[in-house]
This record gives sequence, structure tokens and C-alpha cells, in this order.
Amino acid sequence: NAGVMQNPRHLVRRRGQEARLRCSPMKGHSHVYWYRQLPEEGLKFMVYLQKENIIDESGMPKERFSAEFPKEGPSILRIQQVVRGDSAAYFCASSPGFQLEQYFGPGTRLTVT
Amino acid sequence: QKEVEQNSGPLSVPEGAIASLNCTYSDRGSQSFFWYRQYSGKSPELIMSIYSNGDKEDGRFTAQLNKASQYVSLLIRDSQPSDSATYLCAVNPGTASKLTFGTGTRLQVTL
Repeated sequence: NAGVMQNPRHLVRRRGQEARLRCSPMKGHSHVYWYRQLPEEGLKFMVYLQKENIIDESGMPKERFSAEFPKEGPSILRIQQVVRGDSAAYFCASSPGFQLEQYFGPGTRLTVT
Repeated sequence: QKEVEQNSGPLSVPEGAIASLNCTYSDRGSQSFFWYRQYSGKSPELIMSIYSNGDKEDGRFTAQLNKASQYVSLLIRDSQPSDSATYLCAVNPGTASKLTFGTGTRLQVTL
């Protein structure tokens, strides 16, 4: 399967715990994006990364959220000290280039109890 | 004014008919435009991309772009029940590479 991979598919965390979401882009894609979809709301951009660089993090909440895309391995979206409002579907997308088509992974559904 | 606007629907069309989905955007500098289909509980699936004014056809789907009117549309010919889903319009604003999504139009294809 050459598609975008995300894991875990479902993640349950208690308030105050940390959540780590992983994304492996499609083969040949070096541009990675993270989006969040809150229940009954639209998809919202969070962050855009290339290998070892954050290109645009204008959609990331200022606190508790961070993202990385290391030289080796998947991109990681990290949420510290989760709160109930973080419960959402988090989607990763990858693209072969700037402003080109973005292909989405299956998403991680985060539930904070 | 929302950056990307779509009618939420539902848009109901009979099987075999043409479904017409519309989208307007506010950023005149936008360069690339996409339509995604999202089934309930699933991730968005790319259907069409369009970068220049005019029509682009792919199978039963046609995307239309009019930059002067800041308008993008998607036509689905010979609609099938399996086309029932939410259709998301997405725009790359200006010089950025990040998608701004509309809230989606729910399409129902009836037998």
C-alpha cells in the first residue's frame, strides 16, 4: 500500500496525558500537512512540514501542540496535557510539491476522557 | 465572509441525474483548487484538482473554475447512490501551501 499511513487509528487518552500521532507520507512525497476535524465542523489546517523543517505552523494552537518531521521516520504530531476539547479526528496529508494535490491518510480519532 | 463557502445541503438528486456542487472563495490570489469526497467517518478522498480557468473533465466528474468570479464548481454526471457523501471544496490561498476547506455539501443520490 503506497498511500499515506497514520497510526494509531484510534487513541484514547485521559485528561492531562500526552498524545502522539504518527504519519508516514506517500512514497516520493516530502511535503506533510496536519489537519484537524472537530465533530460537526470543517477541516482546519494545523501545520505544514518538510523533512527537518516546519514551513508553516500558523494553524497550530500556541500551547501544548508541536509537530516534527525528522530526517528518518514518520512525522509526529504531539499534544501535551490533553483536554476534552482536543477530541477530534486528526488527518495527515502528503503532497509531491508546493501547492500540488494533497492525499489524506485514514486519520487518527483521538478521544479524551 | 468565510474564506471558502459552500451550501451545506443536503442536495438530493435522482440516480442517473447530474449533480451540481458550487463553491466560492474570497482570496483573489488563490492558485489551486480541489474537490474532495468524504464519506461519514472516513478521510477526504481527492476527486479533482484544477489550476486554470475553464473546465477539466475526469470520467463522470467535471470541475469548472472562474477566477474572475471566484467560483469553482463540480458536476457529477450519471449520479450513483455510491456518490452519496459530503463534497469538500478546498483552496490554496495566495502564496501559501495549505488547504482552506469549505464546510462541505452533503449529496444524496436517491433510487
